[in-house]
Amino acid sequence: NAGVTQTPKFQVLKTGQSMTLQCAQDMNHEYMSWYRQDPGMGLRLIHYSVGAGITDQGEVPNGYNVSRSTTEDFPLRLLSAAPSQTSVYFCASNTGGLASDTQYFGPGTRLTVL
Amino acid sequence: SQQGEEDPQALSIQEGENATMNCSYKTSINNLQWYRQNSGRGLVHLILIRSNEREKHSGRLRVTLDTSKKSSSLLITASRAADTASYFCATDGSNYKLTFGKGTLLTVNP
Repeated sequence: NAGVTQTPKFQVLKTGQSMTLQCAQDMNHEYMSWYRQDPGMGLRLIHYSVGAGITDQGEVPNGYNVSRSTTEDFPLRLLSAAPSQTSVYFCASNTGGLASDTQYFGPGTRLTVL
Repeated sequence: SQQGEEDPQALSIQEGENATMNCSYKTSINNLQWYRQNSGRGLVHLILIRSNEREKHSGRLRVTLDTSKKSSSLLITASRAADTASYFCATDGSNYKLTFGKGTLLTVNP
C-alpha cells in the first residue's frame, strides 16, 4: 500500500490564484481530513469527510472547499489564495469513522502565497 | 481553539536519558493520542490511550492519562538521537474532530 499520498510537495502561488491540493489513500478508509500547520500553532482542522459524498467543516474552513466523490480521493481547493494561507497542509485518513481512531498522515504540501 | 497543550515547548536531553512531555486538555474525551513529527515530514501515530485507561506501554514509550486532571504524559525511556522530533498530543473533543496541541520539540544530543 502507498498509504496517504499528497501532491504537489511544494507550490508557490500569487495572491488571487486558485489551486487544488490532491490527497489520495489506498487503504479504503472512510474518514479523511485536511489540516494546516503553521509555526507555533500545531495542526488545525480545515475540513473532514466521513465518507464519499459527505463533508463538513473543521476549525478553520474559510477560503477552502472540499468534495468527496470517491472513497480514495479528498481534494482541497483554494478558491482565491491569500498570503494568510501560506502553510504546510496535511491530509490524513483513518480506519474507523471517527476522529478518535488512529490517523495516517500524508507527507504534506508546503504552500507559499506571494 | 487548541484543545491540547503540551509542556514543555522544547526539551533538550542527552542520549540515554528519559524524556517526559505533558499534555493538558479542556473538555471530556474518548481517547487521547500521541504523534511524532520528524522535521519536514508528516505525523506518525505513536500510541492511543482510551479514557478508561490510566497507563499504556509500547516499547520505550509509556503514556499515562488522568481524566480528573485532564492531563496526559508521554515518557520516552533511554532516549536515542533518532528520537529527536516534535511530539503532539491529540484529543477527540467531538466524534469527528481531532484537535492537536502545539507540540513539544525534543532534541536528543548524542
